[in-house]
Amino acid sequence: SQQGEEDPQALSIQEGENATMNCSYKTSINNLQWYRQNSGRGLVHLILIRSNEREKHSGRLRVTLDTSKKSSSLLITASRAADTASYFCATEGGSQGNLIFGKGTKLSVKP
Amino acid sequence: DAMVIQNPRYQVTQFGKPVTLSCSQTLNHNVMYWYQQKSSQAPKLLFHYYDKDFNNEADTPDNFQSRRPNTSFCFLDIRSPGLGDAAMYLCATSAPGQAILNTEAFFGQGTRLTVV
Repeated sequence: SQQGEEDPQALSIQEGENATMNCSYKTSINNLQWYRQNSGRGLVHLILIRSNEREKHSGRLRVTLDTSKKSSSLLITASRAADTASYFCATEGGSQGNLIFGKGTKLSVKP
Repeated sequence: DAMVIQNPRYQVTQFGKPVTLSCSQTLNHNVMYWYQQKSSQAPKLLFHYYDKDFNNEADTPDNFQSRRPNTSFCFLDIRSPGLGDAAMYLCATSAPGQAILNTEAFFGQGTRLTVV
């Protein structure tokens, strides 16, 4: 079963703008991860934030985690047309690493 | 170099005819996952292995079975495919060595299954 919700479901922005996507989840987690998927392809890992971390950066990506609200956000700064893809959060819980995905945000960056 | 390889990329099967999808990995990861992804939806976890330990999600239909004969290979068997089983099937691995938790997953390119 899926862990939670993401919003917005779809986001359309201009190149150079920032894109923010949110993810909520339901159960306790070991970590939360963000993945990117180009149409018809496999998923690519972007960033992992552990349950005891609050913020993490990787290049143009910034992820926050609020375990009290069971939510996370992914910020992509200075977006590019090549960032057009679907973005999914996934939570890892339990002792053997099951990885459950949220519903995803479809990002479209117009040149 | 491809690290998680799924074969075939596209599979067409007849309604009710058993079909097997395969996944291999060169990463020596402990955990292997199978996900089903339907159009414009999130990947849905079907089951995963930690080494030989099999973990079935509660809502995975009995029609779906899996085998992991060794660390490198994992198979998804659909015993009697229905039209509703048409989807992309994604294999992923994680957990190198003893690091069970807090490691990223590596995905294959998926097998798109069509049921006719």
